[in-house]
Amino acid sequence: EAGVAQSPRYKIIEKRQSVAFWCNPISGHATLYWYQQILGQGPKLLIQFQNNGVVDDSQLPKDRFSAERLKGVDSTLKIQPAKLEDSAVYLCASSLGVASYEQYFGPGTRLTVT
Amino acid sequence: GENVEQHPSTLSVQEGDSAVIKCTYSDSASNYFPWYKQELGKGPQLIIDIRSNVGEKKDQRIAVTLNKTAKHFSLHITETQPEDSAVYFCAAIPNFGNEKLTFGTGTRLTIIP
Repeated sequence: EAGVAQSPRYKIIEKRQSVAFWCNPISGHATLYWYQQILGQGPKLLIQFQNNGVVDDSQLPKDRFSAERLKGVDSTLKIQPAKLEDSAVYLCASSLGVASYEQYFGPGTRLTVT
Repeated sequence: GENVEQHPSTLSVQEGDSAVIKCTYSDSASNYFPWYKQELGKGPQLIIDIRSNVGEKKDQRIAVTLNKTAKHFSLHITETQPEDSAVYFCAAIPNFGNEKLTFGTGTRLTIIP
């Protein structure tokens, strides 16, 4: 079974530029999560989708971050404009869905903002 | 909201010895407690989990124990091997119907050959 796919793996941008990350979850997984992991810390949830609907985006800085999952499969996370403090690894995870708590993570995208 | 504390932040053990990592949580309604292993440059990998209706779970060299009264849970790795070196994270989900994981701060485990 293929795991969660993410691209790109690395991205370097200057502050105030925009960037987008892509995630393809495990086939059949209804729930998709985006996490931000700052160096030396545990992952922090940014947004959770159930199929193509948002379940929780309370920790998403909506003035600069946006995410979508239009067809209930792939998802994109965008940052515009980026700030220095956005430097982190952005992790995508997926799970089967309601009452299935096992979350499986992709390899992440390491973002460096200079 | 849920708060998860994890100790120690770093741990070094001789190959073949056991390693124990402990976590405490704040929300008594939490009911699902996974452990993740994260190697350098990779995403977290789910290695074992436990639900609140179980006190202990074991999978080969890895075991997790849960004390609901004290609100803490622990990861036990026996007969450690060099490939066990990684950062380990505990996490908790506060209640049914909410799959939002709250992670601990991580433990860097180093196995000394």
